[in-house]
Amino acid sequence: AQKITQTQPGMFVQEKEAVTLDCTYDTSDQSYGLFWYKQPSSGEMIFLIYQGSYDEQNATEGRYSLNFQKARKSANLVISASQLGDSAMYFCAMSGGWNNNDMRFGAGTRLTVKP
Amino acid sequence: DSGVTQTPKHLITATGQRVTLRCSPRSGDLSVYWYQQSLDQGLQFLIQYYNGEERAKGNILERFSAQQFPDLHSELNLSSLELGDSALYFCASSVDGPQTDTQYFGPGTRLTVL
Repeated sequence: AQKITQTQPGMFVQEKEAVTLDCTYDTSDQSYGLFWYKQPSSGEMIFLIYQGSYDEQNATEGRYSLNFQKARKSANLVISASQLGDSAMYFCAMSGGWNNNDMRFGAGTRLTVKP
Repeated sequence: DSGVTQTPKHLITATGQRVTLRCSPRSGDLSVYWYQQSLDQGLQFLIQYYNGEERAKGNILERFSAQQFPDLHSELNLSSLELGDSALYFCASSVDGPQTDTQYFGPGTRLTVL
């Protein structure tokens, strides 16, 4: 069964600094997708970034990058130049298997950006 | 704005009642997914529909059911409600069904069962 682990319940970062949010996953599938979502206090789930298991390069989207280490089964999110608006819950998720569209989410990491 | 709409935004009801949550996917998306987010269970996948047909089932209770209509909007029906059903219910949509398709989430429906 697929499993997503986020070991950091909460993280603090100074404004303008970079921060890494950890995510490890467990799957026996060869083809899968890894996602990061942001959930601000308002409650909506905002898609940030996607990495395919066969992608050789790490995904980047603006200030977000995904540090994908397939052998270690990790997919850490790196946020550069943190902004106050980055304060939110961040969820790592995985969808995998050709007949499996069941997206599993980690428990989330609450990021607080300090001014 | 993800393009996925959900109504109502908030719903307050009593135990034993039945409610219907509605979701309209992004234009062009064929897949709709339902999720439940609660404090103790986290974000749980409930069910997926693709072009009107059930595609995948997760931790959905027998008291819950869903369907996707020909215009691709979807409804999640929750019946015999219990206090523990209080949660944020999300709908998400994607273009297709492959596992690597990005899911875009609606704003959610916050259900409170009293």
